[in-house]
Amino acid sequence: DAKTTQPTSMDCAEGRAANLPCNHSTISGNEYVYWYRQIHSQGPQYIIHGLKNNETNEMASLIITEDRKSSTLILPHATLRDTAVYYCIEETSYDKVIFGPGTSLSVIP
Amino acid sequence: NAGVTQTPKFQVLKTGQSMTLQCAQDMNHNSMYWYRQDPGMGLRLIYYSASEGTTDKGEVPNGYNVSRLNKREFSLRLESAAPSQTSVYFCASSELVGKGGYTFGSGTRLTVV
Repeated sequence: DAKTTQPTSMDCAEGRAANLPCNHSTISGNEYVYWYRQIHSQGPQYIIHGLKNNETNEMASLIITEDRKSSTLILPHATLRDTAVYYCIEETSYDKVIFGPGTSLSVIP
Repeated sequence: NAGVTQTPKFQVLKTGQSMTLQCAQDMNHNSMYWYRQDPGMGLRLIYYSASEGTTDKGEVPNGYNVSRLNKREFSLRLESAAPSQTSVYFCASSELVGKGGYTFGSGTRLTVV
């Protein structure tokens, strides 16, 4: 069973920020939060990860709540190429990584 | 480009046939993984290799075997294919937990008839 919960699907207008939420209420202190996306039937692509602090890279920003029970992935200016399934996962050890069904994001022109 | 290479990309097998899926990475990663993905579902871990010389079962290991041939290569073998093994198989590699994400291959689409 997935340890994180995400909405099944979301829409976002092209050019607007896409905010994808994730609940990980059972996360432990040493578990990282990772985000990946899968475009069509390609292999998943790593986006960003964090432990406690907010993180930003060239692809996205990750906001983690102070209690670490939830996080939000922000794509600042969504494009049509950002249409994909987005996975939020907890990672603590090699055999504990679970990819649930994720959020299907549709970027609309 | 550097990354994870999987072969073959497509395969059709008859029930009972055997085959080996190949995976190689050129990023000097220590850990490698095999996942399967069924339609509309997330990825499920079949086997993983935390480091060269070690392999361990994941969530759905039945019907599969693996070999960590060296640090670069991690193969997945189906000894006697079954229709339930029809799926898309992804290989991935990573550094240490928390040190960066997984890098995935482009997948092998396997159909067992």
